[in-house]
Parts: sequence; C-alpha cells; structure tokens
Amino acid sequence: AAGVIQSPRHLIKEKRETATLKCYPIPRHDTVYWYQQGPGQDPQFLISFYEKMQSDKGSIPDRFSAQQFSDYHSELNMSSLELGDSALYFCASSSTGQGRETQYFGPGTRLLVL
Amino acid sequence: GDSVTQMEGPVTLSEEAFLTINCTYTATGYPSLFWYVQYPGEGLQLLLKATKADDKGSNKGFEATYRKETTSFHLEKGSVQVSDSAVYFCALSNFGNEKLTFGTGTRLTIIP
Repeated sequence: AAGVIQSPRHLIKEKRETATLKCYPIPRHDTVYWYQQGPGQDPQFLISFYEKMQSDKGSIPDRFSAQQFSDYHSELNMSSLELGDSALYFCASSSTGQGRETQYFGPGTRLLVL
Repeated sequence: GDSVTQMEGPVTLSEEAFLTINCTYTATGYPSLFWYVQYPGEGLQLLLKATKADDKGSNKGFEATYRKETTSFHLEKGSVQVSDSAVYFCALSNFGNEKLTFGTGTRLTIIP
C-alpha cells in the first residue's frame, strides 16, 4: 500500500539558511500534519491542513510557514535556521472518510543545522 | 490541556517475557487512543488504536484496552521477541482537534 512520502530524507544546512521540506500524503487523504521530534523527545505538533486550509496550529515558530497545495502535497518552509531546529520532521496524513483521527506517518526528514 | 503520561524507560526484558508499558491520559471529552512504535532510524508506525471506552486494540500480539474509569491505555504483549526492540509512544487525539498528543516514549530492549 502507498505510504506517506517525505523529501528529502536528510538535509544539512547552515545557521540562518532556509530549508523546504516536502510531504506527499497517502492518495485520497485530505489532511496533512507536521510534527517536530527533537533528539530523545516525543513528537510535537506544528501545524495541520485540511482540504488545503490550515486547520490547527501548534508550537510552530514564526520563522516557519507551511501550506498544502491543490494536489494535497504539503511543504514546510523554514527560514533563519537555528541550531535548535535540528530535529526529525514528520509529516502524517489522514482521511476524513477512513477515520480522520488515525494518522499515518512518513519516514521523516532529518534536518541538521550547523 | 490534553496530556499523556507514559511509563518511563528504558525497559529491558528477556525474550519471551511478558511486557506491560503503562499509559495514562488527561483529556476532555472522549479521545481516541493510540500506540505508535518507532524502530531505530525509522518513522512512526501505528501499532494499534481504540476509539471508545472498553475497546481493545490489537496487532502483532500487542494489546491495549481503553479504560475510561482509570483513564488508561496500557500496552501488553504475552511473549516479546528481539524484533520488538523499539521506542513505543502512547498518544491521544480529541474530537474536533485531531492533532496527536504524545507521551514521552518508552525505549524497549529485548535481549536473547
């Protein structure tokens, strides 16, 4: 079965640079979520989109922005990167028709800020 | 706000031992409860879920029962294998606010 696809899988950036993470949800899933997992930490919710509209916002820094496009893929844009942004970033998707509360996670993008 | 309290690790067991990882939650309304597993270097995989009181989720020999009276969702397995070594996260989502709130995770190591 098709899963959530994230790209890139690994990313190395310098401080103050920008980064763009991409997420391709499971086909026919209408909701996308972004989470940040610091080293040894539990995942923290950043932001979510339902049918291309922002549906909820968590602890996402103002330096970050995200959107969901017409094909339902989503991008997380991160600017003025800081060392503390080094983390594993997960995208998850769900479907209203299949029980929206069940989220399926991608493999994550590991971001290292030097 | 919603929160999940999870048994602290790490937990080390011998192969074929019985496993319990405790999870309790605080939430308004009637949340859905989940266990996710994260193998080394990989993403989060949904292990099992329960959406209402007294539901039992089960998968790959793991089980957890949604206990509203004790606000708990403990994970159990009768006989663990080395391949079960991973980090296990208990999580909840609430109706109308489907973001997942995770516990701190429990690292499980099974030794042969």
